[in-house]
Amino acid sequence: KAGVTQTPRYLIKTRGQQVTLSCSPISGHRSVSWYQQTPGQGLQFLFEYFSETQRNKGNFPGRFSGRQFSNSRSEMNVSTLELGDSALYLCASGRDSYTEAFFGQGTRLTVV
Amino acid sequence: SQELEQSPQSLIVQEGKNLTINCTSSKTLYGLYWYKQKYGEGLIFLMMLQKGGEEKSHEKITAKLDEKKQQSSLHITASQPSHAGIYLCGAYNYGQNFVFGPGTRLSVLP
Repeated sequence: KAGVTQTPRYLIKTRGQQVTLSCSPISGHRSVSWYQQTPGQGLQFLFEYFSETQRNKGNFPGRFSGRQFSNSRSEMNVSTLELGDSALYLCASGRDSYTEAFFGQGTRLTVV
Repeated sequence: SQELEQSPQSLIVQEGKNLTINCTSSKTLYGLYWYKQKYGEGLIFLMMLQKGGEEKSHEKITAKLDEKKQQSSLHITASQPSHAGIYLCGAYNYGQNFVFGPGTRLSVLP
């Protein structure tokens, strides 16, 4: 079956712009989580959505937001981009929390 | 908050050698996940351990969660170049956020 799909794979934005990243989970999975990975901070949890509701949120500013649609697809939005937002953004899907979670290939965002 | 530490930070082994990576938690673990990542790519799910003393194996990789549930080890037998990558442990903390360890970078020399 198809894995977790993230689009786009690469993105270059300018400071101050906003960006929307997309994640299509594995069919049947209702939990989608987002992570930011940087060389300095490693992998950090952004938020988790389950059945269109945000269930958990990491320690990130309000510029980072997300949503989940009825088909479980999820989007993540970052507004007023900063240079420090340059990172690999990964999403993972699972049937629920505390179950196996499968990751997409990630979206590499570069802010210039 | 719960923190995960991994050791060693990096590892270089000769092909065919066995190796062990450790993941230590500052609090009791309620589920420990092991992932492998190739540089700049997504994470590949390896194993999930939930019960103290639980041990799982997949091909040449074995992971175990200790009885006190604060440490897990990942053991690779007869390493191959295909095992090279970054190994990450992860777990849910008490706030139900997911945290990752810093990773162990493994290089396997042919």
